[in-house]
Amino acid sequence: AQKITQTQPGMFVQEKEAVTLDCTYDTSDPSYGLFWYKQPSSGEMIFLIYQGSYDQQNATEGRYSLNFQKARKSANLVISASQLGDSAMYFCGGTSYGKLTFGQGTILTVHP
Amino acid sequence: NAGVTQTPKFRVLKTGQSMTLLCAQDMNHEYMYWYRQDPGMGLRLIHYSVGEGTTAKGEVPDGYNVSRLKKQNFLLGLESAAPSQTSVYFCASSYAGDFGYGYTFGSGTRLTVV
Repeated sequence: AQKITQTQPGMFVQEKEAVTLDCTYDTSDPSYGLFWYKQPSSGEMIFLIYQGSYDQQNATEGRYSLNFQKARKSANLVISASQLGDSAMYFCGGTSYGKLTFGQGTILTVHP
Repeated sequence: NAGVTQTPKFRVLKTGQSMTLLCAQDMNHEYMYWYRQDPGMGLRLIHYSVGEGTTAKGEVPDGYNVSRLKKQNFLLGLESAAPSQTSVYFCASSYAGDFGYGYTFGSGTRLTVV
């Protein structure tokens, strides 16, 4: 079974600064994927970024990057140059044996 | 528009009543999932399906049943609703269960059991 853990219930960041949201995972599957979703107050699930377990380089999508450290089993999300619109709930998740599992989520608040 | 459609969007049930939530996708996806979202708990997997006619249990399957009689539809049933099942329910689908193909989420169903 795969387990995803997000230990930061809430995070605060100043606008235009960078912020790191933590995520650790545990799986016995040698082939897996890790990803991050954003959920604004509207409730929709917005895909941000994906990292495959065999990918050599860290994934990057615009202002989002995934800091993948396999030995530490971590897949932290880094948001550069935070914007007010980044205020939302962020979920880390993983795919393993066809199952899609999420962490508890981190609420990010961006201050002006 | 292609995507995942959840029906209904809102529902209030009395304890002991039954209901079925429908998830429909028109993307020919093989994999479909039902989640519930509760404050502080994230999204927890209830049941999932890896193809037409198949279903499997997730993390929190008790009190729910599912069926996947047609590839495009994944039904979630509550036989005897309980207040603990008050939650927001999300359906998702994927072509092959590998994120490389992407996962698509529905807009959610807000269920209240009184």
